[in-house]
Amino acid sequence: QKEVEQDPGPLSVPEGAIVSLNCTYSNSAFQYFMWYRQYSRKGPELLMYTYSSGNKEDGRFTAQVDKSSKYISLFIRDSQPSDSTTYLCAMSDDKIIFGKGTRLHILP
Amino acid sequence: EAGVAQSPRYKIIEKRQSVAFWCNPISGHATLYWYQQILGQGPKLLIQFQNNGVVDDSQLPKDRFSAERLKGVDSTLKIQPAKLEDSAVYLCASSDRGGVGTGELFFGEGSRLTVL
Repeated sequence: QKEVEQDPGPLSVPEGAIVSLNCTYSNSAFQYFMWYRQYSRKGPELLMYTYSSGNKEDGRFTAQVDKSSKYISLFIRDSQPSDSTTYLCAMSDDKIIFGKGTRLHILP
Repeated sequence: EAGVAQSPRYKIIEKRQSVAFWCNPISGHATLYWYQQILGQGPKLLIQFQNNGVVDDSQLPKDRFSAERLKGVDSTLKIQPAKLEDSAVYLCASSDRGGVGTGELFFGEGSRLTVL
């Protein structure tokens, strides 16, 4: 089992819908959980950052961590075509491990 | 504030040739990372520097890959000899904090390598 599992998609949803992106992990030592966004031919950029369990909200984005289930989620409300890109989950104990990324398409 | 600079952006070489990538991190960032991102996969850490010392190189194929960070600023990643499976984007990232919970890595745009 890989340390971090993420469905590569693509995931297509209509504009304005709520998007749910998810990752599972196996290493219970992970304490820090992150979501990065990566546009084509660019490096990843940090979107959200959460320590341990719980929720964190930033505008239209909500990050959720459930350590008991080893499951993290990113929710995007009122999705826009500009949200179309690849989303990478990442988590760390003493080094940062990335998921494969999910390609998201928001359909106008 | 200037971002992480990488060069070259694109490189095409024959297998068994050598190639070098250069990275200039954000000014003042002590921690520098090299990641390999193969098409359709997430970035995989190759090596992490704290100033000019190596913190983690456990996933660096040391028989063909080498990296250095002289004077704790710029870094160079070299591949010699290259294999077909080395075709990937090589991402450099920097952080002002090292170790657990850094969270925010600042990435360059990457150097895309194609090995024929």
